[in-house]
Amino acid sequence: DTGVSQDPRHKITKRGQNVTFRCDPISEHNRLYWYRQTLGQGPEFLTYFQNEAQLEKSRLLSDRFSAERPKGSFSTLEIQRTEQGDSAMYLCASSLRDRVWGPMNTEAFFGQGTRLTVV
Amino acid sequence: EDKVVQSPLSLVVHEGDTVTLNCSYEVTNFRSLLWYKQEKKAPTFLFMLTSSGIEKKSGRLSSILDKKELFSILNITATQTGDSAVYLCAVFQYSGGGADGLTFGKGTHLIIQP
Repeated sequence: DTGVSQDPRHKITKRGQNVTFRCDPISEHNRLYWYRQTLGQGPEFLTYFQNEAQLEKSRLLSDRFSAERPKGSFSTLEIQRTEQGDSAMYLCASSLRDRVWGPMNTEAFFGQGTRLTVV
Repeated sequence: EDKVVQSPLSLVVHEGDTVTLNCSYEVTNFRSLLWYKQEKKAPTFLFMLTSSGIEKKSGRLSSILDKKELFSILNITATQTGDSAVYLCAVFQYSGGGADGLTFGKGTHLIIQP
């Protein structure tokens, strides 16, 4: 499978626990995005990486959230001290850009998402 | 504040009907507009529109962008039950400083009845 893959697909956790999600983008894609989607809403931007550099973080990303892409390949999104309001689908997407400041070459391809339920 | 507004939010039609979904936007540094289809899980890509007035087609689906009036439409002709999904519109914004990304609308929930 050469698409974007996310792991796990489902996660149920107790409030206050930490969780970590992983995203493996399409191999040649240098851009990686994290989005959060709640029921009835479109995906909301959280953060994105150009290679290993985290270039932007949304105001939605509180200090309990941290994302990394250490080698410019896979990425992890960690949520510390989870709250019930964190329950959502967390989507990862990747795309290809030919220069850091250049235009988007390709559309963003999405993974299947990780559905987080905080109880 | 950047915003992408889709209408209608939900739509129920009968199989064989033609539907038109709308997406209007107000964003800074517009680069392109994308349509996605979302069934139970991840959004799947349909179209990317960059130039105004050029229709893109894929089978029974077509889409066009109007950059002067800041909107796009997605048409589906001869609808089938398999077209039932949430259709998401997203705008890609570009900033020379490297801060860019997709802003999504809330989606149109389309239900095709047999």
